[in-house]
Amino acid sequence: VQLVESGGGLVKPGGSLRLSCAASGFTFSYYNMNWVRQAPGKGLEWVSSISGSGIYFYYADSVRGRFTISRDNAKNSFYLQMNSLRAEDTAVYYCAREADSEEFDYWGQGTLVTVSS
Amino acid sequence: QSVLTQPPSVSAAPGQKVTISCSGSSSNIGNNYVSWYQHLPGTTPKLLIYENNKRPSGIPDRFSGSKSGTSVTLGITGLQTGDEADYYCGVWDNSLSAGVFGGGTKLTVL
Repeated sequence: VQLVESGGGLVKPGGSLRLSCAASGFTFSYYNMNWVRQAPGKGLEWVSSISGSGIYFYYADSVRGRFTISRDNAKNSFYLQMNSLRAEDTAVYYCAREADSEEFDYWGQGTLVTVSS
Repeated sequence: QSVLTQPPSVSAAPGQKVTISCSGSSSNIGNNYVSWYQHLPGTTPKLLIYENNKRPSGIPDRFSGSKSGTSVTLGITGLQTGDEADYYCGVWDNSLSAGVFGGGTKLTVL
């Protein structure tokens, strides 16, 4: 199992960024997938999840209305479109696979998003 | 403020045992499976415990989990300096329809 994030970088407040997570080594469409972030000096924060079919998705209150999660099972990838970015969105963003009992059994290496003018 | 409450830090000597608590409510811990993660700075979080008390393959039996009502506990025996890390509990919250993590506990092996 391998998860590889990409798309992080420096963006100005109010700007947008799209993160990608490429998955391999398992049947991607069978699994719910999640984004989890860690701001500098802070703990882990769950951000969003999407079902294997892509029909169901959920968001943390802190990002609802600004972030959109999606997936492309044909490409074994899922995404996080981040709009109206704020300084407090600065964090390392991890993608994670959700196993049968809602635990996150595999994680990507993380991609850094910095929101600053 | 996290929905799940963990002590900010714990410490113990090498070879000793430590426990880390995680307290929640009926909307999360009370009715769902809890998992625990170990996170060393600069690395990827690692799953230690799932379904409250099960260990993934490769996780030594020095790590254990238990649950009582709306609280869970992570136990680590035979402490090693390599166990120094941040530990997080995680669970789905039915009221929030969201995943939640505890605030994290920093383990220091003196």
